[in-house]
Amino acid sequence: SQTIHQWPATLVQPVGSPLSLECTVEGTSNPNLYWYRQAAGRGLQLLFYSVGIGQISSEVPQNLSASRPQDRQFILSSKKLLLSDSGFYLCAWSRGTSARTYEQYFGPGTRLTVT
Amino acid sequence: DAKTTQPNSMESNEEEPVHLPCNHSTISGTDYIHWYRQLPSQGPEYVIHGLTSNVNNRMASLAIAEDRKSSTLILHRATLRDAAVYYCPVDSGGSNYKLTFGKGTLLTVNP
Repeated sequence: SQTIHQWPATLVQPVGSPLSLECTVEGTSNPNLYWYRQAAGRGLQLLFYSVGIGQISSEVPQNLSASRPQDRQFILSSKKLLLSDSGFYLCAWSRGTSARTYEQYFGPGTRLTVT
Repeated sequence: DAKTTQPNSMESNEEEPVHLPCNHSTISGTDYIHWYRQLPSQGPEYVIHGLTSNVNNRMASLAIAEDRKSSTLILHRATLRDAAVYYCPVDSGGSNYKLTFGKGTLLTVNP
């Protein structure tokens, strides 16, 4: 069976500090990978998605970047955090096939507080 | 990307059916309609999806309007565990496998 891991679960970082959030998927190969952010009381905002190693599409210009160094690893980074980067960060994966079913499986999330 | 509109909140009683509406008037012919739900402090969970025909699974039923501009998620007997935020993203089609989530509907289930 497939499993998605995210860490850390919670993080408190000062403004201006760097960020690295990691997501890994087990039990599948060549998944599509996604990073979402959910600000307090808001809906899900898609930040990045990737259909393969080294292939990153950015949805919203911002202070963040993403990388996919391995097939089942997705990393969200920032060089200098802003207060507005606070939120609940979710990683998700879906099967990378041509079938028209985009069921996404979400990880447990990382709650980031920038102080 | 097709935009979706949902009521901010709805309330139901335990053991009663719940009909959660979603409007997606800009949907294109090959876009699938998805439903997810999110419990507090957890990632969203897939519920159901469909294209044109009504769909049933162990969690819920999805009724899609004939013109596909709206859909309804039906929980046949609400339980307290069904209290969550429900989203109805529509996929953007093509090969980028992208879903656009709105703000969703907060469902409260009363005992």
